[in-house]
Amino acid sequence: KNQVEQSPQSLIILEGKNCTLQCNYTVSPFSNLRWYKQDTGRGPVSLTIMTFSENTKSNGRYTATLDADTKQSSLHITASQLSDSASYICVVQAGTALIFGKGTTLSVSS
Amino acid sequence: DAEITQSPRHKITETGRQVTLACHQTWNHNNMFWYRQDLGHGLRLIHYSYGVHDTNKGEVSDGYSVSRSNTEDLPLTLESAASSQTSVYFCASSDLVNEQFFGPGTRLTVL
Repeated sequence: KNQVEQSPQSLIILEGKNCTLQCNYTVSPFSNLRWYKQDTGRGPVSLTIMTFSENTKSNGRYTATLDADTKQSSLHITASQLSDSASYICVVQAGTALIFGKGTTLSVSS
Repeated sequence: DAEITQSPRHKITETGRQVTLACHQTWNHNNMFWYRQDLGHGLRLIHYSYGVHDTNKGEVSDGYSVSRSNTEDLPLTLESAASSQTSVYFCASSDLVNEQFFGPGTRLTVL
């Protein structure tokens, strides 16, 4: 069964600190892996999309990594800001289907 | 700027009523999708369309229907609303590259 598991479920960090969110997947056939940011009360917004051959992709302070051998991805946030408080969703495309993780809720406090 | 909009943003209805949620995109994307988002679940696909007059069922399609008469719109209809359909509904669209752009969501409460 295609599955995307994210950890931790929630995370609280101090402003300015770094953090790393994890995504493990068992999906076949693998097409690409995406990270979305979802602010409270809004729709998800794409941060990165990585194909099988890409192992790192950055978008400002967000850096995603992909290890296709171990079927793991991480999203690293550098120098966190209050505006980073959101839910981060890992999504894996399997053929034409998107498999969504349940998300990690990040709270950045001052 | 191109965008994707949903209306209404909030809706309260009663069990058994028919409800239609609107989704309009100006990206000129062929692909459009409807999802629901509930606590404890990831986004779940309800219906999707790859072009005008094309519609397909997703994993949680029971009780929902869609129709695609033009490129810009994909309305979602709940034929007879049930309390289990209380949720936040997101519409999305994508181009051939498949990056999906999501609307702001509609919060539906069925009493």
